[in-house]
Amino acid sequence: TQLLEQSPQFLSIQEGENLTVYCNSSSVFSSLQWYRQEPGEGPVLLVTVVTGGEVKKLKRLTFQFGDARKDSSLHITAAQPGDTGLYLCAGMYSGGGADGLTFGKGTHLIIQP
Amino acid sequence: GAGVSQSPSNKVTEKGKDVELRCDPISGHTALYWYRQSLGQGLEFLIYFQGNSAPDKSGLPSDRFSAERTGGSVSTLTIQRTQQEDSAVYLCASSLSSFRGETQYFGPGTRLLVL
Repeated sequence: TQLLEQSPQFLSIQEGENLTVYCNSSSVFSSLQWYRQEPGEGPVLLVTVVTGGEVKKLKRLTFQFGDARKDSSLHITAAQPGDTGLYLCAGMYSGGGADGLTFGKGTHLIIQP
Repeated sequence: GAGVSQSPSNKVTEKGKDVELRCDPISGHTALYWYRQSLGQGLEFLIYFQGNSAPDKSGLPSDRFSAERTGGSVSTLTIQRTQQEDSAVYLCASSLSSFRGETQYFGPGTRLLVL
């Protein structure tokens, strides 16, 4: 069974602070995606990373893909209350397997005003 | 444009009853996916369709689960003889194709509670 370990599981910080969420696996990804999910809604795609070492920025969010394509991180600078939500990493593995995405269990992020 | 829609949005049923969940993908999307999201388990891939065909059904949790897709559009996920452990949010997603890495767009989910 291919697993995606996501950490931390829960994070509550003050507005204006920085934070990093990690996603790790022992297997190589062909691509990795980060999603954000709000209560009562489905996950919404934030970014897809494909190349080892790739860094993508989306306003205050920075996504990094590990050189070996086994891990990724999401860094949020100067967090805002609107960043509150469930952040999910999901990957497609290089070695085949089911054609659906494999998801981490998610990071529940709360930004307190 | 219209996104992925799912119905019902909420479903409460009694143990042992059958339930049918519906997914309307984005128009023109040939690939359709079903996932289950449970507390503490995260999002679990169940099955996908390319057109009307489901190449691999091994992700379905048990033989009480079945899915079909007709006309390359609407899909239904059926759970027979529901059990309390089937309680979860069932999410549907669609993508332009089943090409690995193609962006999947998710619906709002159906929240199933089995009493």
